[in-house]
Amino acid sequence: NAGVTQTPKFQVLKTGQSMTLQCAQDMNHNSMYWYRQDPGMGLRLIYYSASEGTTDKGEVPNGYNVSRLNKREFSLRLESAAPSQTSVYFCASSEWRDNEQFFGPGTRLTVL
Amino acid sequence: EDQVTQSPEALRLQEGESSSLNCSYTVSGLRGLFWYRQDPGKGPEFLFTLYSAGEEKEKERLKATLTKKESFLHITAPKPEDSATYLCAGHSYGQNFVFGPGTRLSVLP
Repeated sequence: NAGVTQTPKFQVLKTGQSMTLQCAQDMNHNSMYWYRQDPGMGLRLIYYSASEGTTDKGEVPNGYNVSRLNKREFSLRLESAAPSQTSVYFCASSEWRDNEQFFGPGTRLTVL
Repeated sequence: EDQVTQSPEALRLQEGESSSLNCSYTVSGLRGLFWYRQDPGKGPEFLFTLYSAGEEKEKERLKATLTKKESFLHITAPKPEDSATYLCAGHSYGQNFVFGPGTRLSVLP
């Protein structure tokens, strides 16, 4: 089992460009999450999907959109990237929302 | 507002020197307290879940404990390979996880 996979691993964008971060899990989990991690701060939730077909905003949703494509895949889109979105992005999944979460390896994004 | 804090921010130990990391939380109706290990450049790796005050969980040189206000991660006779950032997170029913900022542990040979 691969667990949670994310692509790409690294990305550099210019201000105003768009991109989609991909995430997939093979653990048959129902809930999936997108976090960002910045130096000195804890993981902050951007969006989550409690179950297939639903998505909800987390703590820091502005500037992002998500799509729960199917039970396995959950993508994060930046429509018009800004330097403030420079961060490391983690996707996670859990059996249900109240269970322990399992994380992917992360995407390191730099916006110039 | 639900909050999780961790101390110290960074900790340097000699190999074999036992110590504890602290996680304090103000999460209403705590259902679970979670501990993760994060190596540089990698995603957090799940270690333990604690559900009620007095509960303890162990894995190799790590033991996690929970009280009504805080959790401790005790590291006994650490080795250099235990060097990592340790994160804790609090969770209540129907709510999202609240992560602390982490404690960066360095174990020197």
